[in-house]
Amino acid sequence: GMTQFPPTLSVSPGERATLSCRADQGIGSNLAWYQQKPGQAPRLLIYAASTRATGIPARFSGSGSGTEFTLTITGLQSEDSAVYYCQQYNHWPPGTFGQGTKVEIK
Amino acid sequence: EVQLVESGGGQVQPGGSLRLSCATSGFTFRDYVIHWVRQAPGKGLEWVSGLRGSDGRTYYAASVKGRSIISRDNSEDTVHLQISRLTVDDTGVYYCARDGNPYVPGCFQYWGQGALVTVSS
Repeated sequence: GMTQFPPTLSVSPGERATLSCRADQGIGSNLAWYQQKPGQAPRLLIYAASTRATGIPARFSGSGSGTEFTLTITGLQSEDSAVYYCQQYNHWPPGTFGQGTKVEIK
Repeated sequence: EVQLVESGGGQVQPGGSLRLSCATSGFTFRDYVIHWVRQAPGKGLEWVSGLRGSDGRTYYAASVKGRSIISRDNSEDTVHLQISRLTVDDTGVYYCARDGNPYVPGCFQYWGQGALVTVSS
């Protein structure tokens, strides 16, 4: 499975948020990050571990390979308040998701 | 413009069945896998099922395998998901989703707005 930490992250506007995701077996770079705001469908942010999806601001960046991955949000803005999910698609199906990290703005 | 529009949600009694539909447009249906991903209230995301447009091959999560059928209507580029023997654990929002890359299934670039299914007596 996929393990995300921390479960909740409280960050001040303008600061950096660092979210972690660990796979229990190697998945290469076949990892995606999604952002979900209340009442909305998830939005793809990052795929292939580090490639931003179309229209995603440069303040979102992804890194990692194998079993350890990171999503970094630099210069946090109020609209970044959301739950962030990582998902592996190396072993699809089923393509498992992490439990999510909730990012709160201080 | 890629569009995925779900329909068919609602309240269903335990033990009953439901049929969800996902109408697609804006891309070549046969080039992609169309997926269903669900989310229980206040919980995370769970991939449920997928159908490959090129040949109709189907895929199921263990949680619904044996009581679900995913099918397609090629004439209308629509995918249907039928789940039977419903339990309260099937309650949630069901999203239709499409891969971004036709050669890399399981990475969901496009999502519908979701259909709410409530299993309750």
